[in-house]
Amino acid sequence: KQEVTQIPAALSVPEGENLVLNCSFTDSAIYNLQWFRQDPGKGLTSLLLIQSSQREQTSGRLNASLDKSSGRSTLYIAASQPGDSATYLCAAYFGNEKLTFGTGTRLTIIP
Amino acid sequence: GAGVSQSPSNKVTEKGKDVELRCDPISGHTALYWYRQSLGQGLEFLIYFQGNSAPDKSGLPSDRFSAERTGGSVSTLTIQRTQQEDSAVYLCASSFRGGSTEAFFGQGTRLTVV
Repeated sequence: KQEVTQIPAALSVPEGENLVLNCSFTDSAIYNLQWFRQDPGKGLTSLLLIQSSQREQTSGRLNASLDKSSGRSTLYIAASQPGDSATYLCAAYFGNEKLTFGTGTRLTIIP
Repeated sequence: GAGVSQSPSNKVTEKGKDVELRCDPISGHTALYWYRQSLGQGLEFLIYFQGNSAPDKSGLPSDRFSAERTGGSVSTLTIQRTQQEDSAVYLCASSFRGGSTEAFFGQGTRLTVV
């Protein structure tokens, strides 16, 4: 069964620190992986998409990596800010025409 | 518009009534997805459209749920004889070609069945 896991479910860090969010998946035959953020009561905002042929993608203070052999992706956030507080979701595409989502990590940046 | 648009943003309905949820995808996007997010739960896949066709209907929870897409654009998710367990946020997403391309989500429709 193709599954995506995100641990921990919640994380709190002081403002200004760098942090890493984790995403694990069970099937190494992954086509791509996408990271989203979700603010309370809102939809999902796409952050980064990494194709299976890539090892990482960067957008501003965000850097996402993908390691197919170990079944892991990480989202690195540099110099965290209170505005980064949100739930972060990863979603894998295994070629079956749907995104399989993790349950998310709720991030709180403490001013 | 520039993004995925969903309407209504909120819907309160009485148990047993039918509801229709609408999704306007990004122009030119051939793939369209419906997901459901229940309180405190992850995203549950409902249905996927490529153009007007739905090759994968495996996620629809029961025969009370149906969806259609017309003109390769607007999609409607219909829930008949709503039940309290149908209460959730219904999210729509679109992408240019399907799973190999970036998916963009709408703001969702919050459905409450009372």
